[in-house]
Amino acid sequence: QVQLVQSGAEVKRPGASVKVSCKASGYTFTGYYIHWVRQAPGQGLESMGWINPNSGGTNYAQKFQGRVTMSRDTSISTATMELSWLKSDDTAVYYCARGSDSNYVYDYWGQGTLVTVSS
Amino acid sequence: EIVMTQSPATLSVSPGERATLSCRASQSVSSNVAWYQQKPGQAPRLLIYGASTRATGIPGRITGSGSGTEFTLTISSLQSEDFAVYYCQQYNNWPPLTFGGGTKVEIK
Repeated sequence: QVQLVQSGAEVKRPGASVKVSCKASGYTFTGYYIHWVRQAPGQGLESMGWINPNSGGTNYAQKFQGRVTMSRDTSISTATMELSWLKSDDTAVYYCARGSDSNYVYDYWGQGTLVTVSS
Repeated sequence: EIVMTQSPATLSVSPGERATLSCRASQSVSSNVAWYQQKPGQAPRLLIYGASTRATGIPGRITGSGSGTEFTLTISSLQSEDFAVYYCQQYNNWPPLTFGGGTKVEIK
């Protein structure tokens, strides 16, 4: 069965960086995009961008350009999202999600990783 | 950026009744709309894609409709497991992929 397992919760200071990993299993990792979506406490969903694990190509939402880096390691079927220059309003649950056959619909999700930014 | 607007923000419905959720796009997104359900403390779950195609395992009481700028998610005969927050998402124009603000379906 398809599974996406994310790394654990993080607490960071403002200005620091955070890396969240997403290990895929149960399917061919290079066959489907991995997207990153975040959700601030009590708020809605926000797409951050995606990576094509086959080519390594990425596409970032303009809001995060210059602060986000998405990468993948196909040898261990893992995608990673790094967000730098953290601010307090980056406090959120970060989800990875698999893009379906249409690439841009999220058919499987990770369990989420809470990133707390606090001084 | 395409703005997705959901209404109402909260919908109070009795078990067994029908719930109708709306989603409007700021410009045409063809039929490239998906719907997700999210329960407290859980990741979202895909319900509908292509505006009207049910995802694997989604029961027939959940239906999606619409095209262009107006979309509807209907849940007939609400069950206890249907009380949750629902989000629409457009994937016609990107980046970014955009979501509506959500509709909370609560027990009346």
